[in-house]
Amino acid sequence: QSALTQPASVSGSLGQSITLSCTGTNRDVGTYNYVSWYQQHPGKVPKLLIFGVFNRPSGVTNRFSGSKSGNTASLTISGLQADDEADYHCSSFRNNGTLVFGGGTKLTVL
Amino acid sequence: VQLQESGPGLVKPSETLSLTCTVSGDSIDSYYWTWIRQPPGKGLEWIAYVQSTGTTNYNPSLKSRVTMSMDTSKNHFSLRLTSVTTADTAVYFCARGFGSGWVHLGYWGQGVLVTVSS
Repeated sequence: QSALTQPASVSGSLGQSITLSCTGTNRDVGTYNYVSWYQQHPGKVPKLLIFGVFNRPSGVTNRFSGSKSGNTASLTISGLQADDEADYHCSSFRNNGTLVFGGGTKLTVL
Repeated sequence: VQLQESGPGLVKPSETLSLTCTVSGDSIDSYYWTWIRQPPGKGLEWIAYVQSTGTTNYNPSLKSRVTMSMDTSKNHFSLRLTSVTTADTAVYFCARGFGSGWVHLGYWGQGVLVTVSS
């Protein structure tokens, strides 16, 4: 059982926008703006997409955007492309000084 | 910056898993350095970090079995996990924090699959 809750799978059509959720508690997501999102293609290394809830590292397309409301963080992907098909992981700092992850969401692009 | 994990791919139950992450392009006496693992088909799990000062922080669920260390002369850091069971079978990644912090992981090694089996 992962500390943060993510839907196991979501699907969307090419060109569509889709939002992935990551639900924590007031011990982590709800209190701290230390939420990250990672994209992981099968057999590959996780790639940092979003840090600090909504910031993108240099080189990450602005089709990826992050937000937070209460204990839930969200990753929105606009203009879905075939290459967006991957697993997406969220993480957050927790008030015991640790880093917690969600179980990951598998995104299928139809 | 490049990170490369190394270590045995097979460990027997009850034995100790030992991995090393060799860093190039950065000095490990800066930044935070982290170990993450991913059991087959599952999500990511933070194991621990070591700060450039040598300060460590461990996942409470693993704390009794984990030790991280760093060797600045070799520019590498290491992970030891004792008394392993099949539940410790996973791909183990080393990573560096993005910027000066540790909670956002911007740089990753390729990962090494460690299987615990007799």
